[in-house]
Amino acid sequence: QSALTQPASVSGSPGQSITISCTGTSSDVGGYNYVSWYQQHPGKAPKLMIYEVSNRPSGVPDRFSGSKSGNTASLTISGLQAEDEADYYCSSYTSSSTLGVFGTGTKVTVL
Amino acid sequence: QITLKESGPTLVKPTQTLTLTCTFSGFSLSTSGVGVGWIRQPPGKALEWLALIYWDDDKRYSPSLKSRLTITKDTSKNQVVLTMTNMDPVDTATYYCAHTGTPRSGMDVWGQGTTVTVSS
Repeated sequence: QSALTQPASVSGSPGQSITISCTGTSSDVGGYNYVSWYQQHPGKAPKLMIYEVSNRPSGVPDRFSGSKSGNTASLTISGLQAEDEADYYCSSYTSSSTLGVFGTGTKVTVL
Repeated sequence: QITLKESGPTLVKPTQTLTLTCTFSGFSLSTSGVGVGWIRQPPGKALEWLALIYWDDDKRYSPSLKSRLTITKDTSKNQVVLTMTNMDPVDTATYYCAHTGTPRSGMDVWGQGTTVTVSS
């Protein structure tokens, strides 16, 4: 199965809002409300930031929010902070695999 | 507190079989809905699903790697083992194990990862 498509990079200044897109198909993102988002700092393990499209695990700041429209899911970071600089990956359940599929990854730079 | 830790060889030769162990604490792999998965990440590249095993011994595999992978669990030892046969240099990556408490709802706790290099 093909990876979900994300922009390679997104940048913003501290305090600004940025949005990362994650585009799939009706067989994955568009067909199910099982989209997750992960944050990964260099040399570290991924951290779950959003699950089931828009739910935040305990401890994740409410600056992070998720949404979905059609075959595209989005992660928005409001009030961007220096510590938000990291790689971000989306993931979705897919009917073509019993495991799911990850996105191509987006590097977020805080200017 | 849920923790997971990967262990295994750091270097394997091409054609060899890789065996990785995920040792966890803070949860039971007998609890309904719980699963432990393996995900890898080649240097500078994206995450890639490998395999996932659920509390009821339901096993899921990456379609492209299914013929090379086996995932098993030992509930009494709190361990999940992944074997990958016929290793190739392209399998060089950091291998992570991770926990999910609800199928399809994301991997909520990850191990630190273990780096495996495939080279002769």
